[in-house]
Amino acid sequence: DIQMTQSPSSLSASVGDRVTITCRASQAISNYLAWYQQKPGKVPKLLIYAASTLQSGVPSRFSGSGSGTDFTLTISSLQPEDVATYYCQKYNSAPLTFGGGTKVEI
Amino acid sequence: QLQLQESGPGLVKPSETLSLTCTVSGGSISSSSYYWGWIRQPPGKGLEWIGMIYYSGTTYYTPSLKSRVTISVDTSKNQFSLKLSSVTAADTAVYYCARLLLGRGATTLIDYWGQGTLVTVSS
Repeated sequence: DIQMTQSPSSLSASVGDRVTITCRASQAISNYLAWYQQKPGKVPKLLIYAASTLQSGVPSRFSGSGSGTDFTLTISSLQPEDVATYYCQKYNSAPLTFGGGTKVEI
Repeated sequence: QLQLQESGPGLVKPSETLSLTCTVSGGSISSSSYYWGWIRQPPGKGLEWIGMIYYSGTTYYTPSLKSRVTISVDTSKNQFSLKLSSVTAADTAVYYCARLLLGRGATTLIDYWGQGTLVTVSS
């Protein structure tokens, strides 16, 4: 089965900083990669799918890129409301494995 | 407005079977466009995909739980269910039900989550 590895596991940045999270698949998954945001105590929310397509309503400071095995989630200008844990997930075929998560703090 | 609501016991004894039901409202579980699935999250830890089911009964499970998991669907009640047998403390988690959009190439993207329910395994 394909494993999903995220890095870093946590990061601290300042408001306005550019933040980048990486996700690596152990085998190629084309662009079938989604990013979810989970704020403390809340349900995960779909941010990006197909590696780079923003879900409706998601602020444009979020962007995704990558294909094959290497993917990135970028927050161009970190805002206080972006404090959350971010998860990548492959969805090309079962099992739909999640990465371990990246906790973003201010 | 689609709503997914998990229900079931919040406390299960070790070695027993965890049973949860997800009731779907505002949409049909028999739609050909979606799978329906379960994800769990132990306290303070990450997300784990458990499995999913199509309205026809086709199922997929994560390998690490496959021997203990059964997901079923009841189209007449617009519900689907999770059973996890022989539970231990390691199965303590928030359990989410979810809708998965069936896309090209049979891809399945989680696009809608229930609110989640905490199940604690303890004697």
